[in-house]
Amino acid sequence: QLQLQESGPGLVKPSETLSLTCTVSGGSISSSGYYWGWVRQPPGKGLEWIGSIYYSGSTYYNPSLKSRVTISADMSKNQFSLKLSSVTAADTAVYYCAKREYGRSFEYWGQGTLVTVSS
Amino acid sequence: DIQMTQSPSSLSASVGDRVTITCRASQGISNWLAWYQQKPEKAPKSLIFAATSLQSGVPSRFSGSASGTDFTLTISSLQPEDFATYYCQQYNSYPLTFGGGTKVEIK
Repeated sequence: QLQLQESGPGLVKPSETLSLTCTVSGGSISSSGYYWGWVRQPPGKGLEWIGSIYYSGSTYYNPSLKSRVTISADMSKNQFSLKLSSVTAADTAVYYCAKREYGRSFEYWGQGTLVTVSS
Repeated sequence: DIQMTQSPSSLSASVGDRVTITCRASQGISNWLAWYQQKPEKAPKSLIFAATSLQSGVPSRFSGSASGTDFTLTISSLQPEDFATYYCQQYNSYPLTFGGGTKVEIK
């Protein structure tokens, strides 16, 4: 059974960089055909796709965040990570990591982690 | 970006009711559309992919249909555990985009 688990600081200061890691168990992030992505949800609001990394290493970012986002993968640890720079209060959200197979929906999700941007 | 317009934003229904939620894409997305269910404080759960394909383990009372750029999620007989917020999402092109959500509440 595939499981995803987000980890990282729950509080980040304005202008600093938000860093989260998603640890995958029960499957390999290097398996072909899979996208590993990040989705966020501000409190009381809807879902926003941040970006994804393909098993090959190709990355795809939301243009609204592209200048501030980096997604990378560590195959040796079976983890992928999100860095979001120059954060503001508007970046306060629950951040989810998720897995999607080509042609399908995000089938597997982490439980989510709340990141608050505040001084 | 492809805009996904979901309607209604909320609805009240009773157990046993037939419920329909609509999502309209701002341009063609083939059938690369997913539906998710989200309960409070929980991660979204995939219900439907490729507009009409039921995710494994999802009850058959959930179904999806497509007509051009209009997509529909139908719950044939609403059950108590179905009260939640539902989102559509297109994955035809980047950036991936979600609809605004439909909250299904108890009448």
